[in-house]
Amino acid sequence: GQNIDQPTEMTATEGAIVQINCTYQTSGFNGLFWYQQHAGEAPTFLSYNVLDGLEEKGRFSSFLSRSKGYSYLLLKELQMKDSASYLCAVATDKLIFGTGTRLQVFP
Amino acid sequence: DTEVTQTPKHLVMGMTNKKSLKCEQHMGHRAMYWYKQKAKKPPELMFVYSYEKLSINESVPSRFSPECPNSSLLNLHLHALQPEDSALYLCASSHWTGGNQPQHFGDGTRLSIL
Repeated sequence: GQNIDQPTEMTATEGAIVQINCTYQTSGFNGLFWYQQHAGEAPTFLSYNVLDGLEEKGRFSSFLSRSKGYSYLLLKELQMKDSASYLCAVATDKLIFGTGTRLQVFP
Repeated sequence: DTEVTQTPKHLVMGMTNKKSLKCEQHMGHRAMYWYKQKAKKPPELMFVYSYEKLSINESVPSRFSPECPNSSLLNLHLHALQPEDSALYLCASSHWTGGNQPQHFGDGTRLSIL
């Protein structure tokens, strides 16, 4: 079966750092994506990991451990506009999305 | 604004109506996708087209009928839908269906079935 887990909701304060975890068990693995989705809008691509380690892109970083079936998205210097849902998605022969994490950033 | 354009943005239809959702991209992508997304849930894959041929149908009911007239266009024809089909319908595209290709999503069509 395919299983991708993320926390349902998280809250954080403006300027802080937050880590959103994702664990997965899938048949096949061609990489892991993180997407951001604001309410009522399209998901937008944030990052892609296929090898173990950390990928950094500005305020956002993503980490992957294939042996542990684990990834996280790290958001630094949080801004109010970062309030959104964050979707972890594993690529097999198709893209399988996790349940999504709704992040609320407070002033 | 996204590079994948979906029309209409909103659609209200009765259960006996026939309507179509449209999706267009001009990024030269050869893979296109339809997803269904219910509120507070992740997108669920419905169909995948690769080089204008249907490659994946996720056991979607026949009241949803996809069509890919050319490499830039993707349609979803709707007929005799049920109230539980009310959802956000997202179109996406990628260079090809390889696992390392990020998918680019349109803003979606919000569909309500009366």
